[in-house]
Amino acid sequence: DVVMTQSPDSLAVSLGERATINCKSSQTVLYSSDNKNYLAWYQQKPGQPPKLFIYWASTRESGVPDRFSGSGSGTDFTLTISSLQAEDVALYYCQQYLHTPRTFGQGTKVEIK
Amino acid sequence: QVQLQESGPGLVKPSETLSLTCTVSGDSINNYYWSWVRQPPGKGLEWIGYIHYSGNTNYNPSLKSRVTISIDTSKNQFFLNLNSVTAADTAVYYCVRGYYDSRGYSNPFDPWGQGTLVTVSS
Repeated sequence: DVVMTQSPDSLAVSLGERATINCKSSQTVLYSSDNKNYLAWYQQKPGQPPKLFIYWASTRESGVPDRFSGSGSGTDFTLTISSLQAEDVALYYCQQYLHTPRTFGQGTKVEIK
Repeated sequence: QVQLQESGPGLVKPSETLSLTCTVSGDSINNYYWSWVRQPPGKGLEWIGYIHYSGNTNYNPSLKSRVTISIDTSKNQFFLNLNSVTAADTAVYYCVRGYYDSRGYSNPFDPWGQGTLVTVSS
């Protein structure tokens, strides 16, 4: 299985400050045939299901604020919240959808400092 | 917009079979692949398996010996059976759309049902 490793496990950021979450895959998730990174980010708030936020490593889902951005390629990816808002407090998961079985990172908890 | 809703017993005894139903509304189940994903309390996400309306299935090797996913296109529902359960199977179980899209290309999971907590305990 492709192992997805997120860092840090949790982070506390002041309101308005930048939050950065890293995700590393044990195998590349860049598919050479279409040059796309099969990497998604999900946001999960307490008591709710995960919600797709970003796919193809950097494409925001409709309705996701533009303070969220995804970057990276191959095996190393980053989710950045440029200016943390109170409503961004949540767990964030990365997931690869190139290899079978699909696998997720362990999650990163974002809190307000 | 497509919506998914899980249903089934919230408590299952050890060694018995966990059975859940996912009802899809807002779109035909015939157009996509459908998966089950679970999340043990306070832990991460694990893909269990998928089904296509054709009946084609694929399961996570970690659960393959115990899992069956089936579908009823006439009712727009798909199902999860997990047998010989133990406490380690206690989790919130989500039904989701995705694995491949309608053209057979890999895609992320979206949308998700609200999830149903299944506790394995005597």
